[in-house]
Amino acid sequence: GAVVSQHPSRVICKSGTSVKIECRSLDFQATTMFWYRQFPKKSLMLMATSNEGSKATYEQGVEKDKFLINHASLTLSTLTVTSAHPEDSSFYICSAPTGGLSGNQPQHFGDGTRLSIL
Amino acid sequence: GENVEQHPSTLSVQEGDSAVIKCTYSDSASNYFPWYKQELGKRPQLIIDIRSNVGEKKDQRIAVTLNKTAKHFSLHITETQPEDSAVYFCAASRDFGNEKLTFGTGTRLTIIP
Repeated sequence: GAVVSQHPSRVICKSGTSVKIECRSLDFQATTMFWYRQFPKKSLMLMATSNEGSKATYEQGVEKDKFLINHASLTLSTLTVTSAHPEDSSFYICSAPTGGLSGNQPQHFGDGTRLSIL
Repeated sequence: GENVEQHPSTLSVQEGDSAVIKCTYSDSASNYFPWYKQELGKRPQLIIDIRSNVGEKKDQRIAVTLNKTAKHFSLHITETQPEDSAVYFCAASRDFGNEKLTFGTGTRLTIIP
């Protein structure tokens, strides 16, 4: 079964709305989590690295004030898309690195969140 | 930072034939190279990986080769089946299990029955 739970799986909302996406590690602690964004027919692009107890590290070109990341515990990271606009519509997916402790998986991915802004 | 290029972007092969997807990377510090299969709307699924101390790895119909000097690695799928149709991504990382993954641009593989 899934070891990283991501919710919600699908969001449709109006422009200007803020949307929160949760990513939970179910049976292991994750001091770091990664947030990726995938536009249709494109690759996964890292947006930011979420660090438990400290500020997230954002990739170049990603607005930290628009994509708020909170990693308040060792099992939960949240991504909030503030004042979302149609161009923010995308597939957002989180992952938690295993530290090499989970078989042969380098990272466990959540199921992703399909965000559609009208 | 790391840059991973992937070719081809689309690939169609007859069922039973082989498919090859190639990637190049730029960061000489990268030492872990996984391949993922992604179906529409789903999470990526790890199908095979290779570390820099190995030149080739095989798992049934799937194999990966790595040329660290040339900074390129390839995915080989033999005896292709319709269920192999999907989008495949290569990726690179500096450290298995701890560092971020930089993904290639993806290859849409279609197996023609």
